[in-house]
Amino acid sequence: KAGVTQTPRYLIKTRGQQVTLSCSPISGHRSVSWYQQTPGQGLQFLFEYFSETQRNKGNFPGRFSGRQFSNSRSEMNVSTLELGDSALYLCASSLAPGQGRDEQFFGPGTRLTVL
Amino acid sequence: AQSVTQLDSHVSVSEGTPVLLRCNYSSSYSPSLFWYVQHPNKGLQLLLKYTSAATLVKGINGFEAEFKKSETSFHLTKPSAHMSDAAEYFCVVSDTGGFKTIFGAGTRLFVKA
Repeated sequence: KAGVTQTPRYLIKTRGQQVTLSCSPISGHRSVSWYQQTPGQGLQFLFEYFSETQRNKGNFPGRFSGRQFSNSRSEMNVSTLELGDSALYLCASSLAPGQGRDEQFFGPGTRLTVL
Repeated sequence: AQSVTQLDSHVSVSEGTPVLLRCNYSSSYSPSLFWYVQHPNKGLQLLLKYTSAATLVKGINGFEAEFKKSETSFHLTKPSAHMSDAAEYFCVVSDTGGFKTIFGAGTRLFVKA
């Protein structure tokens, strides 16, 4: 079974631009979560999607948004990029939310650098 | 409210000696607890999870953790460190409903030859 895939793996943008990151979950997984990882703030939860609906949201500004498609693939978008958005963005999938007992499977991440 | 505290930001051990990575949690509900490992430039991989079954949980690569409700702890241990264990380790708490997952700040494990 293929793992979680994220594209692109590396991205360089300039301030003010916008970016879209993509995540394909493991086949059969319907829940997708996004995290931002930085040396200063560690791993922070962005949002979680299930059945094309945002189920939970972290404490990030509205410039960060996401969506999920009917095939469970997910995208996240960051508009008006700031230098502080430079980070590793991780996507994780799980079978389904609800019990908090499901293991999350992580992708390799997308390394975003904002210049 | 939920929270998780990893008590050490860095731990250094010699190869062949025991590993102890400490994690305390706070949860209003019966939590699910996880340990993940992240090797450099890689995603996170699950080491083990506790979901209200046996309090001593065995994971991959010889790691295990014990859930102690009275101490609100879920420390990760391994009897003998290997060089390949050098990585960052995250303790994670999730509420029963799965509505909120919180990651600890991480503990970086160094293994000396």
